[in-house]
Amino acid sequence: GQQVMQIPQYQHVQEGEDFTTYCNSSTTLSNIQWYKQRPGGHPVFLIQLVKSGEVKKQKRLTFQFGEAKKNSSLHITATQTTDVGTYFCAGHQGAQKLVFGQGTRLTINP
Amino acid sequence: DVKVTQSSRYLVKRTGEKVFLECVQDMDHENMFWYRQDPGLGLRLIYFSYDVKMKEKGDIPEGYSVSREKKERFSLILESASTNQTSMYLCASSLRYWRLESNTGELFFGEGSRLTVL
Repeated sequence: GQQVMQIPQYQHVQEGEDFTTYCNSSTTLSNIQWYKQRPGGHPVFLIQLVKSGEVKKQKRLTFQFGEAKKNSSLHITATQTTDVGTYFCAGHQGAQKLVFGQGTRLTINP
Repeated sequence: DVKVTQSSRYLVKRTGEKVFLECVQDMDHENMFWYRQDPGLGLRLIYFSYDVKMKEKGDIPEGYSVSREKKERFSLILESASTNQTSMYLCASSLRYWRLESNTGELFFGEGSRLTVL
């Protein structure tokens, strides 16, 4: 079945530094979704990318979908303590089944 | 706002017990999902359902079963709990026809049920 791999597993940064997490799929994805899970919370949807090469921005967050639709990245510019959490990518396998990556846990030193 | 409610936040059960985890959503979503979350392994899909009485196995269905008798309710059943089923269980729901421009098929998660099997 489809595998969605995410790296790194952990990332610790100083506040103000940038952060990037990468997502790679063994098969072509129809879309990629990104979720954020705050410590002690549940995953919350951030964004969906559908088109090859698509780039979307949400304030300091930049999301990219690769040209081959097999990889994606999330980049945070100038991290803030509110960015702490685990970031998951997820891709659809078939029309309904969403497969998640392992997540990247971001911690920030203020 | 979409609300997905899981019946118990914390449960402690003994090996061999039958365990029911209940999930209810109030947004008339067709799809419902059960994931388990373990450190370093992310969210792994146990079962999902795209309609009443319909179910499909996810990636790790062994040791679990599900029930969807009503559209708003999706139950996860551990017939005989084992210690390796100690985990955080997350229920989620979504619209089925996510390819339409009006929605993304995003998942809405419940708060989670942390199960400890002794």
